[in-house]
Parts: sequence; C-alpha cells; structure tokens
Amino acid sequence: DTEVTQTPKHLVMGMTNKKSLKCEQHMGHRAMYWYKQKAKKPPELMFVYSYEKLSINESVPSRFSPECPNSSLLNLHLHALQPEDSALYLCASSPWDTSNTEAFFGQGTRLTVV
Amino acid sequence: GQNIDQPTEMTATEGAIVQINCTYQTSGFNGLFWYQQHAGEAPTFLSYNVLDGLEEKGRFSSFLSRSKGYSYLLLKELQMKDSASYLCAVSPSALSGNTGKLIFGQGTTLQVKP
Repeated sequence: DTEVTQTPKHLVMGMTNKKSLKCEQHMGHRAMYWYKQKAKKPPELMFVYSYEKLSINESVPSRFSPECPNSSLLNLHLHALQPEDSALYLCASSPWDTSNTEAFFGQGTRLTVV
Repeated sequence: GQNIDQPTEMTATEGAIVQINCTYQTSGFNGLFWYQQHAGEAPTFLSYNVLDGLEEKGRFSSFLSRSKGYSYLLLKELQMKDSASYLCAVSPSALSGNTGKLIFGQGTTLQVKP
C-alpha cells in the first residue's frame, strides 16, 4: 500500500463552522505533513509531525489545529476560517530515518470557505 | 533566505526532449526533488538528487550541481500526458538533522503539443 488517503475530497464550510480534514497512511512512515496549495501556486508547508509529535509549525493561524492520534493518522481541525483559506489541502507522509525524505502526497481536500 | 527559481511556462512538441531548469538558494541542503502535478491532482514523485550528477529513470532524468545551486529535469520522447506542472523542491538541512521540510519552487507548466 503506497497510498495516502484524504477525506473528504471536497468540503464547503461557512465561516462559523467547525470541520476536520482526515489523512491516513499505512506505509509505516513516521513523518506526516499538511500543505496548503492555492491555485497555480506550489504547496506551502503548514505542519510537520515526526513520531506523532509536532516538530514544525510554519506560523499557521490558530484557526488551523493539527492532531496526530497515531502514526497512521493525521487530522486538521478547522474553526472560524476565512474565505482566503479556500485552497487545496494536501497531506503527505515520508520515512523519517533515511536521508531521502521523499514525500508521498494524498489527493487533497478541496476546501471552499463561504 | 530560501529561494527556488524555475521558469513559469514551457511548450514542447510531442516526441521531443525538454529540459526544465531549477536554481536554488537555501539554508543548508539535504536533497532536491522533482514532482509532477496534473491539474487538480496531487503531486507525484519523479526523482531525487542529493549528490552531484545525473539520475536516470526511464524517460526522465534529473541532474544536480550543488556548487552551482542548479538542477534540471530532462524529459525525453514527450507524450501528451506529460502536460503538467513540474515542481522543483529542496529539502533544507538543520543543525538538528532531518526536518522533513520541503520548499517548493513556483512550478513550471509544461504544455506538450501534437
């Protein structure tokens, strides 16, 4: 299994809603990531988890709250988002113990904030 | 600072060869990756270079010169399905070791014409 699975694929939410994005991988990777990608732009790193601990937070606003319940799962909790937060949210995973940090990406969640 | 540059757009003809260049300036270097991304889809891994030289994988080759902060992706025998965005990404190093972080260039949109 070389897949990173993200749900839902599409999400429309209001600015007062609370929602969660989910990500799952079964490749035994010990690093998982959230990236945000706007149209015609490259992915921008948001968070890095290594061994289920948050190791990097790229100064992301607190309305985005990551959670790593176990080594296979990664969530992104959303609350009080703004329309400018509409984007493709990509989850990725990679091995941590090798120098080759090839990241495997999920298909993404297309988020629209209205 | 961190800076990765690649051309915004390129056009090539089916069956031809195209070279996509990438230059980078990052705080440390732990490898350079090339990803392919079709519109609306997740990035997929193409190649990884950490030492100087050429890595060949089928129709795709990637070259790295660390002293020049330069890489290129070479695509041979172009096919229509190669029309996509090609992302150059650098993994910067940290004093503490692996960060798992990837910094992406803006991406090169390649259009393959018949």
